[in-house]
Formats: sequence, C-alpha cells, structure tokens
Amino acid sequence: DQQVKQNSPSLSVQEGRISILNCDYTNSMFDYFLWYKKYPAEGPTFLISISSIKDKNEDGRFTVFLNKSAKHLSLHIVPSQPGDSAVYFCAASARQGAQKLVFGQGTRLTINP
Amino acid sequence: SQTIHQWPATLVQPVGSPLSLECTVEGTSNPNLYWYRQAAGRGLQLLFYSVGIGQISSEVPQNLSASRPQDRQFILSSKKLLLSDSGFYLCAWSVPPSDTQYFGPGTRLTVL
Repeated sequence: DQQVKQNSPSLSVQEGRISILNCDYTNSMFDYFLWYKKYPAEGPTFLISISSIKDKNEDGRFTVFLNKSAKHLSLHIVPSQPGDSAVYFCAASARQGAQKLVFGQGTRLTINP
Repeated sequence: SQTIHQWPATLVQPVGSPLSLECTVEGTSNPNLYWYRQAAGRGLQLLFYSVGIGQISSEVPQNLSASRPQDRQFILSSKKLLLSDSGFYLCAWSVPPSDTQYFGPGTRLTVL
C-alpha cells in the first residue's frame, strides 16, 4: 500500500523553463509535506515544506502547492537550472509523535541546456 | 550548526557476514533518529526510528536490527547478511516538534 505516489519516474525540462513535479497521497491524516532533492550516492537534501493549513509555500525559485481536496501536491521550479538535475522525493507526515515520513518513489528531473 | 556523519561510505560484504553501520549527530540534543534504505531504483523505506536512548521501533520485519547506545549515536546491525540487504543506507535526524528530517551522506552496501 503506497500512501505517497510520484507517478512520473522521470521528467525532462529545458533550462530556463518551469519544472513541475507532482505527488499524490492517499492518507487523509497526513498534514505536513516535504520535498527533498537527491544526487547520486548522496543523502537527500531538504528543499521546502508545507503544512496542511496552507495551500502554497514559496522559497526563492521553489514553490510548493497543496490541494487537500485532491490529495495532491506539486513542486514548481522556475527558472530551471542545470544544477536542478537530480531525483526529487516528496514525503508526508501524520505527526504521530515520532515525526515519521512516508516517501514517494522519486522523480528524476533532467534539465537540458 | 548540526551535522550528521555516517560510516563507512561504502562496504562490500559476503553473504552471511555481520554488519555494523554507525551514525552520529553533532550540534543537537535529544534528536529523533532514523534508518532508511534505498534499494536500486526505489524510494526510501523507513527501517527503524528512535525517540531516545535505548528506544527502537522497527517498521519492517527483516534481517536487520538497530541500537541507540548514546543520545546522538544510532547503529544498524545484522548478524548474517543476505543478498537482499544490498542497498543505500541513510541515517536521518529530526528535533521535535519539527517534522523535517535531515539526512546523512549514506552508506552503499553491496552483499555478494
């Protein structure tokens, strides 16, 4: 039972354009969502998060949108840069005391020059 | 600032051999600690988490075990490795009430 899903295993975007990564979840108890970026052979790096009381959070080139009714969140990167090429994971938490995160399978983003 | 260390960075072990991976966190007190595994081409699977010294919760029944002998030290062990234990092992920390977890550099384990 995969509670967090990233249905696109890969995405290719031209440099300077917008990258949109999507994530769906099934557990209505999730109330905190995060995006991580991961390079090969390295640990994931925290990018941005959003609480369920908000529908948008912005940090520089990164914006996360949350649609609670659709159980859907997305990460927008604009403008996309070559250094953004990496695997992106979304994660969700139900804040059950140990702050456990449930991760999606990841989307490999490639930014083309 | 907080830092997290994992060692070794890479490890090649024969089937049936023991395993010990270590994770330490600096610059914070009373963190929650986590062990994840990323199998090839897969997402991150939570293996164990700990909210305090000696307190370990297992998420997935398996060949592995975890221990937390000190506040900022988390150890992943196995008595006898299986081929299926191969993967990229990640340690992470968080400080309640924040849900944000911060990851270490990982250990690449290959079981032959």
